Amino acid sequence: KAGVTQTPRYLIKTRGQQVTLSCSPISGHRSVSWYQQTPGQGLQFLFEYFSETQRNKGNFPGRFSGRQFSNSRSEMNVSTLELGDSALYLCASSTGLAVSTDTQYFGPGTRLTVL
Amino acid sequence: GQQLNQSPQSMFIQEGEDVSMNCTSSSIFNTWLWYKQEPGEGPVLLIALYKAGELTSNGRLTAQFGITRKDSFLNISASIPSDVGIYFCAGSIPNTGNQFYFGTGTSLTVIP
Repeated sequence: KAGVTQTPRYLIKTRGQQVTLSCSPISGHRSVSWYQQTPGQGLQFLFEYFSETQRNKGNFPGRFSGRQFSNSRSEMNVSTLELGDSALYLCASSTGLAVSTDTQYFGPGTRLTVL
Repeated sequence: GQQLNQSPQSMFIQEGEDVSMNCTSSSIFNTWLWYKQEPGEGPVLLIALYKAGELTSNGRLTAQFGITRKDSFLNISASIPSDVGIYFCAGSIPNTGNQFYFGTGTSLTVIP
């Protein structure tokens, strides 16, 4: 079974631009969660999508948004980029059912650099 | 948000030594997960625990779900250089939806 894939792997943008990141979950998984990872802050939860609906949301500004398609693929968008948005963005896939027995599997991440 | 206290923050050990790290929470968890992350890559799942008291092994790795459901530990026996990386604990809290909370990580360096 193929793992979680994320594209692109690396991205360089300038301040004020916007960016879209993509995540394809493991086949059969309906939940996709997004995280921002920086050296100083660790893994910070952005949001989780399940069956095309945002089910959970972390404490990030509205510049960070996402969506999920009917095939469970998800995209994350960051508008008006700031230098502090430079980070590794990870998505994690899970069945999304019965959280007491669910497990998250991560993709390789997208390294975003904002200049 | 929920904070997981993971310790130690970093470890420098000799090859062949055993390693122990742990995570504690102020809330009861119903799942504990342990991940390893290498530079430039996403975290890779090592062990998943779903029941209080559960003890699970994966090769030289052993993890336990604490009886109080507020803690978990990970042990690595006979460490080798490829064990180098950052180890994260993660867990989910009952009735909070499908959200997982992560520890701040333990950076492990193995000296050959």
